[in-house]
Amino acid sequence: AQSVTQLDSHVSVSEGTPVLLRCNYSSSYSPSLFWYVQHPNKGLQLLLKYTSAATLVKGINGFEAEFKKSETSFHLTKPSAHMSDAAEYFCVVSVTGFQKLVFGTGTRLLVSP
Amino acid sequence: DSGVTQTPKHLITATGQRVTLRCSPRSGDLSVYWYQQSLDQGLQFLIQYYNGEERAKGNILERFSAQQFPDLHSELNLSSLELGDSALYFCASSTRGGTGELFFGEGSRLTVL
Repeated sequence: AQSVTQLDSHVSVSEGTPVLLRCNYSSSYSPSLFWYVQHPNKGLQLLLKYTSAATLVKGINGFEAEFKKSETSFHLTKPSAHMSDAAEYFCVVSVTGFQKLVFGTGTRLLVSP
Repeated sequence: DSGVTQTPKHLITATGQRVTLRCSPRSGDLSVYWYQQSLDQGLQFLIQYYNGEERAKGNILERFSAQQFPDLHSELNLSSLELGDSALYFCASSTRGGTGELFFGEGSRLTVL
């Protein structure tokens, strides 16, 4: 069965410093992988998605993620954090189509001035 | 604004009661998904409908039921409520043949006292 593991429940960074949110996946097949963001009291929004095209995926708001099959990882990065990036981030895997997305437990990103 | 509308935003009720959560998908989207988000369980897929028919089922309790109407709006019915049913319930929609992106509503927060 497919699954994702988000390695950090909380990540704290200072504004202007790089962001790294880690995600490892497990899948018997070629997966589709996503990162979603949830701001406080809001629904989830798609940041970016990998669907077997380019391994480096660029998303919204300056975020990008790299699919590494050898490491079964799909880490999310951003060169410079902004205060508005403070939110919960979810790594998501799907194999059989998006009707059965499997969400990770989430990583809360805290950004300090 | 994702285009997905959920009502009510907040609901407080007592154990043993029944509630109905409503979701209007984005214009043109045929698929509707229901998710439950709680502190201990994280984000759990409940059920998916496509054009009025049940398409996939996840961790949905027998006390819960859903349906999608001809106008494509969906309702999630929760009955014999227990304290543990307190959670944020999200509805999401997607396009037919979409690339895996789900558009989430802002959720309905259910508190069972």
